Amino acid sequence: TQLLEQSPQFLSIQEGENLTVYCNSSSVFSSLQWYRQEPGEGPVLLVTVVTGGEVKKLKRLTFQFGDARKDSSLHITAAQPGDTGLYLCAGASLQTGANNLFFGTGTRLTVIP
Amino acid sequence: EPEVTQTPSHQVTQMGQEVILRCVPISNHLYFYWYRQILGQKVEFLVSFYNNEISEKSEIFDDQFSVERPDGSNFTLKIRSTKLEDSAMYFCASRPDRTNTEAFFGQGTRLTVV
Repeated sequence: TQLLEQSPQFLSIQEGENLTVYCNSSSVFSSLQWYRQEPGEGPVLLVTVVTGGEVKKLKRLTFQFGDARKDSSLHITAAQPGDTGLYLCAGASLQTGANNLFFGTGTRLTVIP
Repeated sequence: EPEVTQTPSHQVTQMGQEVILRCVPISNHLYFYWYRQILGQKVEFLVSFYNNEISEKSEIFDDQFSVERPDGSNFTLKIRSTKLEDSAMYFCASRPDRTNTEAFFGQGTRLTVV
């Protein structure tokens, strides 16, 4: 089982601040996805990164895939209360032929107005 | 926009009873999954299904669990004899094909075993 560690586990910040969430593994992934999950709902896909070193931007969110495809980061600029939620990274493994996703431990973000 | 739908949204069952959780994946998707999330814990992979058979399963997916796609649209997860520790949110997901790793999740079924 590929282990994806996310840090920090919990993050509470003031509206307007910037933050970065990290997702690290010792395994290489064919792709990595970031999801956001609200309480009582399923994960919602935010972005997929495929190429080592790839950077994708989604409004105030910037996602980066590590050069070695073992890690990723999510940076949020000028956080807003609507960004509050559980952020999950998930890697598609090369070893399993990319047949399933392994989820990270999650980062619970709270943005205080 | 196409979406994965799951029913029921909440299921309460007595320990030892059988439950069937239902999912309708996005049509023309080829890969189907079940995941579970115990309250406050991480999302855990249970099983993947492709070409009408299980392609991978985790150690959680023991012989009390089974999946099937009986009619080409529904994808079901059956737990034969539920235990208290089976209480969790169960999520179904589907993917278009082998090359596209983006998985789309349903809203989940909250299973409570009493």
